[in-house]
Amino acid sequence: DVKVTQSSRYLVKRTGEKVFLECVQDMDHENMFWYRQDPGLGLRLIYFSYDVKMKEKGDIPEGYSVSREKKERFSLILESASTNQTSMYLCASRHEYVSLDTEAFFGQGTRLTVV
Amino acid sequence: EDQVTQSPEALRLQEGESSSLNCSYTVSGLRGLFWYRQDPGKGPEFLFTLYSAGEEKEKERLKATLTKKESFLHITAPKPEDSATYLCAVLWWGGGNKLTFGTGTQLKVEL
Repeated sequence: DVKVTQSSRYLVKRTGEKVFLECVQDMDHENMFWYRQDPGLGLRLIYFSYDVKMKEKGDIPEGYSVSREKKERFSLILESASTNQTSMYLCASRHEYVSLDTEAFFGQGTRLTVV
Repeated sequence: EDQVTQSPEALRLQEGESSSLNCSYTVSGLRGLFWYRQDPGKGPEFLFTLYSAGEEKEKERLKATLTKKESFLHITAPKPEDSATYLCAVLWWGGGNKLTFGTGTQLKVEL
């Protein structure tokens, strides 16, 4: 079975802290994504990576950075957490087939609260 | 400009009362349209992929259809366990390899 695992289900951090959210997938997928989900706004893409050490900004990258040193792991970093980054964070991965566009698989989510 | 719009935002049904959820999209060059189910506090769970207009996919009480401008998720004789938020997402040639999501329809099925 496909598995995307996020390191924490719930996290509480203080304003100004540096926060690391980790995501690991066991499917050898090339593409990995970080979304945040807020009521009324849906899922918004923060960053994605299509290969090791490769990354692209999504729709809302401000205040975030990412790291992909190994194919199976994609980390989201909040350089200096702020209260407006309180949200549900979702990691996803997707295989890159040449001739077929397949679905993304999601982790269970990390509910981050910044106080 | 919203590229993916879902309606209604919320839907309340009685058990057994069939209905449809809508996902309309404005992107051109659709590569795939995806339906997900999301339970509270959990990540989205994949349901269906549709690739071309006229295509249909079924799974238990759910049936997804696709036209050139929208997709419908039909729910036949729903049960309380079908209560969830249903999300649709699109992949298109101008969007790279990222899925763009609608804001979802929150479905509640009551006894």
